Amino acid sequence: NAGVTQTPKFRILKIGQSMTLQCAQDMNHNYMYWYRQDPGMGLKLIYYSVGAGITDKGEVPNGYNVSRSTTEDFPLRLELAAPSQTSVYFCASSYIAGGLPGTQYFGPGTRLLVL
Amino acid sequence: AQSVAQPEDQVNVAEGNPLTVKCTYSVSGNPYLFWYVQYPNRGLQFLLKYITGDNLVKGSYGFEAEFNKSQTSFHLKKPSALVSDSALYFCAVLRGAGSSNTGKLIFGQGTTLQVKP
Repeated sequence: NAGVTQTPKFRILKIGQSMTLQCAQDMNHNYMYWYRQDPGMGLKLIYYSVGAGITDKGEVPNGYNVSRSTTEDFPLRLELAAPSQTSVYFCASSYIAGGLPGTQYFGPGTRLLVL
Repeated sequence: AQSVAQPEDQVNVAEGNPLTVKCTYSVSGNPYLFWYVQYPNRGLQFLLKYITGDNLVKGSYGFEAEFNKSQTSFHLKKPSALVSDSALYFCAVLRGAGSSNTGKLIFGQGTTLQVKP
């Protein structure tokens, strides 16, 4: 199993450009998450999904959009890039059933620089 | 409000010595707690978790963590540190549990562990 994969690894965007960060998992996990990591701030949840077709906002959703058309894929869309979106983005997935907490498994991350 | 605190930005320890990385939490209800490690330019790797049961939880790479309900702490420990343990460590608590469990984690700000030869 590849686990959680993310593309691209690194990207430079100009202010106002848009892009999609790709995330895929091959573990048949029902839940998927997008986080951003800023220095000294830990990870903040942007969006999450409980299954195909169902998404919800996290702590810091402004400026982002997501979709989940399949169990495997959970892309994150930045419509109008701003310098404040310069960060490292991590996708994660987990299997949750019966109300018990699942372990989240993370992808390698996408480093985004907005200039 | 639920929260996690890692009071030390950095912990320095000599190779072969025991290490402790501290974590305290604030949650309503039963806490579900996690430790992750992040090596440079890599994603987070799961180390261990506390759900219920024994207060001492054993995890990957020889790490363990002690859950202390009265002190609301979940400190990460290792009896003998290795240089290769040098990394960024995150404590996290699950936001919500039971039927409301959506797996959303609240992360601490991270502690850099530096193990010197």
